[in-house]
Amino acid sequence: QVLLQESGPGLVKPSETLSLTCTVSGGSIGYYYWSWIRQPPGKGLEWIAYMSYSGSSNYNPSLKSRVTMSVDTPKNQFSLKMTSLTAADTAVYYCARLPRLTPYFFDFWGQGTLVTVSS
Amino acid sequence: EIVLTQSPGTLSLSPGERATLSCRASQSVSRSYLAWYQQKPGQAPRLLISGASSRATGIPVRFSGSGSGTDFTLTISSLEPQDSAVYYCQQYGSSVSFTFGPGTKVEIK
Repeated sequence: QVLLQESGPGLVKPSETLSLTCTVSGGSIGYYYWSWIRQPPGKGLEWIAYMSYSGSSNYNPSLKSRVTMSVDTPKNQFSLKMTSLTAADTAVYYCARLPRLTPYFFDFWGQGTLVTVSS
Repeated sequence: EIVLTQSPGTLSLSPGERATLSCRASQSVSRSYLAWYQQKPGQAPRLLISGASSRATGIPVRFSGSGSGTDFTLTISSLEPQDSAVYYCQQYGSSVSFTFGPGTKVEIK
């Protein structure tokens, strides 16, 4: 059973940079696809970023200028960096896996980590 | 960008009743690219259906998906108390992008 666990700061100041890490256990990070998704309190889901095992990436156009995703295969981790944070970035951030052969949906999710942007 | 609309916003039904949730896309979506998720309070979303109609591992048979083109449906054939949740549809778009619908909240009376 694949398990994903997000880690990062719970509180970030406005204008600062958020760094989140997702640690994958129970399976190799290689040959799969990985994503970050967020959910503001009481609201719906918003896809942020996607990265393949080969390193190709894609981002939500509305966030693209502020977001970078990377994969650390030896550590079985992948990460998200988001710059210039505002209160609108306050959300639960989830990491998720996409299946190898049909990377069109998210089959495993982390439990999520709440990030609050406040001074 | 394809926009997904879900209806109704909230569905309030009794145990044993049938729930029909709608997901409508602003443009045609391949069946392969349409998925449904269940999210309970304080939990991460859980994959229910992929490819419009394929149940994910461990999902009870009372959950079924159907549809094509711009109209997709998630049906819960006989509601159980633990089905109280928000249900989201999601589509995969060109240039590798993903969008979610706004969700339908299912309440069990």
